[in-house]
Order: sequence, then C-alpha cells, then structure tokens
Amino acid sequence: QSALTQPRSVSGSPGQSVTISCTGTSSDVGGYNYLSWYQHHPGKAPKLMIYDVTKRPSGVPDRFSGSKSGNTASLTISGLQAEDEADYYCCSYAGSYTWVFGGGTKLTVL
Amino acid sequence: EVQLVESGGGLIQPGGSLRLSCAASGFNVSSNYMTWVRQAPGKGLEWVSLIYSGGTTYYADSVKGRFTISRDNSKNTLYLQMNSLRAEDTAVYYCARGIVGTSKGGFDYWGQGTLVTVSS
Repeated sequence: QSALTQPRSVSGSPGQSVTISCTGTSSDVGGYNYLSWYQHHPGKAPKLMIYDVTKRPSGVPDRFSGSKSGNTASLTISGLQAEDEADYYCCSYAGSYTWVFGGGTKLTVL
Repeated sequence: EVQLVESGGGLIQPGGSLRLSCAASGFNVSSNYMTWVRQAPGKGLEWVSLIYSGGTTYYADSVKGRFTISRDNSKNTLYLQMNSLRAEDTAVYYCARGIVGTSKGGFDYWGQGTLVTVSS
C-alpha cells in the first residue's frame, strides 16, 4: 500500500488561510469517506483534527475544515495562528481492514 | 480523562524480539478498536496493526507474520509483540484508540510513543 501524497511543506502568515492536499486512489481516498487528519507537534502525541472527511471532534476550532473531491482530500486552516505550526497527516481507510497515511506536510507560520 | 502510555521500547539486535505495552486509562480497551502506528526517523506515519473489540486483528503487509497485537482486559493494556525485528522496524511506535462510534474512521486519542531501535 503506497502512502498518500501530500505536499512536503506549506506556509502562511498569521490570519491567512492555507490548504493541505492529500491525494490517493479510488482504492483509498476516493473509495471511502473514512478520511482523517492529524496534527503532530514533534515529540508529542498526534491529535485528531478531522474525521469522516468533514467532521470535527469536540475541542477542535472551527478554523479547521475538511473536504474531498474524487481521490483528493483537503484540510483548510483559516485564520492561521502561530500554534498551528506543526506536521499534518491525512489517513484513509484503504479496504481489507488496512489504513494508509500520507507522507506528512510541514506547516510553517511565517 | 483518556490517556495512553506506551512503554517497552529500546535497543534490540536484528532478529530479536520486543513487546510493547500501551496502558490505557479513562476508557476500556476492550470496548474500542485500538491500533499501533509507527514513525521511522525522518519519515511519516505508518499504520501497523489494529484490533477490534471482538478480538479480530489486522496487520500491515510489512509486519504480517512477525508482529502480533493483543490486549489484556484485566490490565486495560494493549500490546504489540514484535519478532524477527529488522533495521527498517526502527521507529517511534504509537498506540491509539479508534474513534468512538466508528469502525474504520480513524483514531481519536494517541500516546506519546516509545522508540524502538533495531541495530547491531
């Protein structure tokens, strides 16, 4: 199972919006709505930000939103804040009870 | 409060075995699906294994036949038995809980990880 494709890095200034893409195939991203996003500050526990493509767990700011079109999912962070600087990973169910993560995107807040 | 604490990592020679533990609090590991995910140095996250509340287990191809996921309900602890370890198994290993109310949707609570280094 190949990793989902994410940009290695994105950046934005405080207050701006950024979007991170996650591209897979019809066997994973495009085939199921089991798409989740995780924020990971190195050395800490990853944090669930979005699940089932668009759902936000309680406690996650509504600045974070998710979407999907075909084989590509996206995480949009609006009103960028300094504490949003982290690595972000997408994860999709890939059938036959397997899951696949993206390669990760480093978000830099300028 | 939900907490997951991994332990058992360390330096092990190629071909060796290691058992990781993940002590849970704030919920019952037997009532949720649980998973192990790893991150090799400088790399992204990689799904490793999963166990459902009914006991059914699943593995990534890269570890199938070498790793075994299990749990002890009395200790509220998840385990990962790793045999025939290879250099490419070197990684930080995280345990995580499946999102309540879903069966494939992802993982809502994670531990901070334990480092496994496979080297001679």
